[in-house]
Amino acid sequence: NAGVTQTPKFRVLKTGQSMTLLCAQDMNHEYMYWYRQDPGMGLRLIHYSVGEGTTAKGEVPDGYNVSRLKKQNFLLGLESAAPSQTSVYFCASRQTSGGYNEQFFGPGTRLTVL
Amino acid sequence: GQQVMQIPQYQHVQEGEDFTTYCNSSTTLSNIQWYKQRPGGHPVFLIQLVKSGEVKKQKRLTFQFGEAKKNSSLHITATQTTDVGTYFCAGPSGGTSYGKLTFGQGTILTVHP
Repeated sequence: NAGVTQTPKFRVLKTGQSMTLLCAQDMNHEYMYWYRQDPGMGLRLIHYSVGEGTTAKGEVPDGYNVSRLKKQNFLLGLESAAPSQTSVYFCASRQTSGGYNEQFFGPGTRLTVL
Repeated sequence: GQQVMQIPQYQHVQEGEDFTTYCNSSTTLSNIQWYKQRPGGHPVFLIQLVKSGEVKKQKRLTFQFGEAKKNSSLHITATQTTDVGTYFCAGPSGGTSYGKLTFGQGTILTVHP
């Protein structure tokens, strides 16, 4: 049981390049989330998904796209990277009900855009 | 929109001293969660508080939820070097939340041995 995994762990891009971050969870969770973490700003929600085939915008969605073709995977895409997207990106998942409904986070991807 | 403010942003303590971080929401919360993030790590769930005035303890950690359910605190007694990290509070985002959380900015705790 790996929980939530993210690839890659680190990436350096040049301005204008594109990339996709992959998140995978093996807990059969319906809800999945992408956050970015910047110093002094906590975790800000980029996009989220409430089930396979669904996505929705979060607090800071501009410049990002997402897809959830399979329940266990949630992809975050940057079509044309900008230096302002330099950040640490975390994926999280959650069950729909029961328990504490806490979010389980992946290890993160550290992205630098030059 | 909903705002969750956390203070202080930084706290440096000597090992053995106590530590408290405070969380305030602009709206009434149905519950509040606390997470810990070790340096270089990812946030890990600590606890959820649901009831007005609720107090929960986990060993040296004491969590409180305010009577008005708009504020919360985390108190660590006799800090240890293993307590180092960033502590976040988080409340459900408004409307049909789908489990969405609004996080505070976090309090970075440094413990000097």
